[in-house]
Amino acid sequence: GAVVSQHPSWVICKSGTSVKIECRSLDFQATTMFWYRQFPKQSLMLMATSNEGSKATYEQGVEKDKFLINHASLTLSTLTVTSAHPEDSSFYICSALSGLPSTDTQYFGPGTRLTVL
Amino acid sequence: KQEVTQIPAALSVPEGENLVLNCSFTDSAIYNLQWFRQDPGKGLTSLLLIQSSQREQTSGRLNASLDKSSGRSTLYIAASQPGDSATYLCAVRSGNQFYFGTGTSLTVIP
Repeated sequence: GAVVSQHPSWVICKSGTSVKIECRSLDFQATTMFWYRQFPKQSLMLMATSNEGSKATYEQGVEKDKFLINHASLTLSTLTVTSAHPEDSSFYICSALSGLPSTDTQYFGPGTRLTVL
Repeated sequence: KQEVTQIPAALSVPEGENLVLNCSFTDSAIYNLQWFRQDPGKGLTSLLLIQSSQREQTSGRLNASLDKSSGRSTLYIAASQPGDSATYLCAVRSGNQFYFGTGTSLTVIP
C-alpha cells in the first residue's frame, strides 16, 4: 500500500525557535497533502490543505504566518512552526491523497510529536 | 459545516465479543467515508473506505456500513481480540475536505 513518512518523529525545541516537519509520499505522487494537529485524547483538527505548486489553504483560526507550509514537489510537503511557543506543543500528522482512481484514499504519516519548552 | 460524531466515546469488551462502533454525520453530501485505527502516540491506519455509492465494505473481521441518507455509518468488529484495542476514528470527505469524528477508544480485555 501507499506509504507516507514524516520526519522527525519527535522534536523538542526551545521557545522562540522554528521547527520544520517533513511529510513525504514514498511510493506515489500526491498533488494534495493535508496537515492535522491532534491534542491528547482529541480528534484530528485540519490545519491546512497543501497543493503542489500553489499556496496552502488554511483553516479558520490557523495562523498562516506561524505555520508555514510548502509543497514544492509531488512527494514532499513541509510544515514549519515559526517562533514556537509551549502552546504549539502537539502531535502533528500529515496525510496525502493517493489520487488512484480506484481508491482515492487518504494515507497518513506516523505523526510528529512536538514539545516546546 | 459538516459535524461528525462517534458513539460511544469509550468501549470495553471481553475478548471474543462482536461489537459495533457508530459514526454519524450531519451533511449527507459526502464523497466517501473512511474508518481509521490509531494506536497511542501513532499515526492513523486506514481500515475501510466506503464510497458514497456503496452500502458496505468488508475486510477480514471488519465490516463497515454506510447509510448516507440518514447520515450514519457503523463499524462492526467480529470476534474481538486484545490486539484490536485502539482508538477508532471515522472521517467523511466532502469535496476536498475531511472531517473527523472524536473517536471511540476500544479496549478488548483478554
